[in-house]
Amino acid sequence: GAGVSQSPSNKVTEKGKDVELRCDPISGHTALYWYRQSLGQGLEFLIYFQGNSAPDKSGLPSDRFSAERTGGSVSTLTIQRTQQEDSAVYLCASSKLAGAFNSPDTQYFGPGTRLTVL
Amino acid sequence: GNSVTQMEGPVTLSEEAFLTINCTYTATGYPSLFWYVQYPGEGLQLLLKATKADDKGSNKGFEATYRKETTSFHLEKGSVQVSDSAVYFCALSDQAGTALIFGKGTTLSVSS
Repeated sequence: GAGVSQSPSNKVTEKGKDVELRCDPISGHTALYWYRQSLGQGLEFLIYFQGNSAPDKSGLPSDRFSAERTGGSVSTLTIQRTQQEDSAVYLCASSKLAGAFNSPDTQYFGPGTRLTVL
Repeated sequence: GNSVTQMEGPVTLSEEAFLTINCTYTATGYPSLFWYVQYPGEGLQLLLKATKADDKGSNKGFEATYRKETTSFHLEKGSVQVSDSAVYFCALSDQAGTALIFGKGTTLSVSS
């Protein structure tokens, strides 16, 4: 079936503008994750959604970052008042529940959105 | 807290050479361990995984064994190809299976 899709693939914005990045997880996957990949910091976890539970926001770097997941499927990551240090590739991943404890299974990644803040 | 340390690259090899990329981890409990690969211009792909001690993950000729006694998950391949040139990431997830914690990545370059 279809994999994780993300849009846009590239986004160039000016410092101070808000941006929205979209993620469509694999159908049937209840867990959704956002990560950021940048040259200086490697791959960093941002936020995690699981079903209707409150999201784990422990990785969000500042209150300019927020994310929501509507209807348990599509997710939008919003960055307000973008800064140059926000330039990175934003990756979305999804997984299904598995095992005796219904723990999230292997994460499958989308192609990412490359954000450039001028 | 949990962390992953992998050898820094770049690693440069000739075709058919033996590959080892070292990965060690720090974690409480019994994490799952993964190797992801990122080919040039492409997204992250799962290469292999192991979910408990002594498990061996394997795929495309690559192997890694989950060694709890040495907290390691080294990636090996007996004979690399030019097409294996990519960035390799070691990662772990804790028992709750939430966020993946990644190593910094190792760039492999294979020449013919």
